[in-house]
Amino acid sequence: AQSVTQLGSHVSVSEGALVLLRCNYSSSVPPYLFWYVQYPNQGLQLLLKYTSAATLVKGINGFEAEFKKSETSFHLTKPSAHMSDAAEYFCAVSIRRALTFGSGTRLQVQP
Amino acid sequence: DAGVTQSPTHLIKTRGQQVTLRCSPKSGHDTVSWYQQALGQGPQFIFQYYEEEERQRGNFPDRFSGHQFPNYSSELNVNALLLGDSALYLCASSLIMGTGGDGYTFGSGTRLTVV
Repeated sequence: AQSVTQLGSHVSVSEGALVLLRCNYSSSVPPYLFWYVQYPNQGLQLLLKYTSAATLVKGINGFEAEFKKSETSFHLTKPSAHMSDAAEYFCAVSIRRALTFGSGTRLQVQP
Repeated sequence: DAGVTQSPTHLIKTRGQQVTLRCSPKSGHDTVSWYQQALGQGPQFIFQYYEEEERQRGNFPDRFSGHQFPNYSSELNVNALLLGDSALYLCASSLIMGTGGDGYTFGSGTRLTVV
């Protein structure tokens, strides 16, 4: 079965520090991978997606992710955290046009 | 360009009751998927509708049913509500002719509380 695993349910960084949120996937075929962000009491907003066009994917709000087939990873990074980045982040894989989500990582940004 | 619209935003129901949630997809999209997000968890796929038919279904009981209308809008119905059905219900729209890597646009969700 295809799935995603997000390592670390909570991540805390200082404002201005590097953000690294980890996601590993399992897939028997080349996957479509996504990162979504969810602010409190809101729906999901697409940050970026991997569709095999390029291994380094740039998204909104300064986020990017690198697809590494050898490591089956799709980690999300941002060079400098901002207070407004505090939210829940979900990694997802598209299977037959239905999304399977990881359990999420809550990012806290300390001033 | 309107995004995905869901109604109502909040709902409180009693155990055993039935509930209907509604979703209007993004303009130009023809496929609607529903997800359940329990507190502190990632969204779980319920089912997907295209051309007014259920095309895919996740691991949810028959108490969960849906419908898609000719204008592509959709309803999610849940019968015999259980306390465990309390969750945020998210609707996502997409294009069936796209690849699996196309964007899925999510609505803001309906928060269902079962008491």
